[in-house]
Amino acid sequence: AQSVSQHNHHVILSEAASLELGCNYSYGGTVNLFWYVQYPGQHLQLLLKYFSGDPLVKGIKGFEAEFIKSKFSFNLRKPSVQWSDTAEYFCAVNAGGNKLVFGAGTILRVKS
Amino acid sequence: EAGVAQSPRYKIIEKRQSVAFWCNPISGHATLYWYQQILGQGPKLLIQFQNNGVVDDSQLPKDRFSAERLKGVDSTLKIQPAKLEDSAVYLCASSSTSGYNEQFFGPGTRLTVL
Repeated sequence: AQSVSQHNHHVILSEAASLELGCNYSYGGTVNLFWYVQYPGQHLQLLLKYFSGDPLVKGIKGFEAEFIKSKFSFNLRKPSVQWSDTAEYFCAVNAGGNKLVFGAGTILRVKS
Repeated sequence: EAGVAQSPRYKIIEKRQSVAFWCNPISGHATLYWYQQILGQGPKLLIQFQNNGVVDDSQLPKDRFSAERLKGVDSTLKIQPAKLEDSAVYLCASSSTSGYNEQFFGPGTRLTVL
């Protein structure tokens, strides 16, 4: 069965610090990879996705993620975080049938 | 475009009671999903519908959970009888069938079982 592992459950950063959230998945075949974000009091929403092609994908609000197939990883990055990036971030994998398997999430708090 | 609607937003019940949640997907979306999100965990798929047919219900505890989507539009998820461990947020999502199917999530129903 597919599984997704997110390395940190809580991350605290100061504004303007760089962000990298780790995500590893277990599945040997072709996958689609996603990062979802849930801002306080809001719905889960798609941040970015990878299907194929350029392994560096760019999403909304300055986020990007790099797919490294050999490492089964899909880490999320942002060069300079803002207070408004405070949210919970979920990595997810779709290994077939449009069924998403989510990681446990990382709660990011950005101090102003 | 209206998003995915869910009701109620919050529900508190005692164990062994029954409860039902309602979801109305984005108009025209053929695929509907119910997820369970326990505190500290990511969402877990319970059931996936394509129109009014079940595509995947492998993780639905069928002895107590049931779901239906009779007319291929809105859906209800029921728990009967509820257990303490059913306390969670129940998320509904929908997607279209054209190309890759991005899933759009509703606000969820937070269930507390006492």
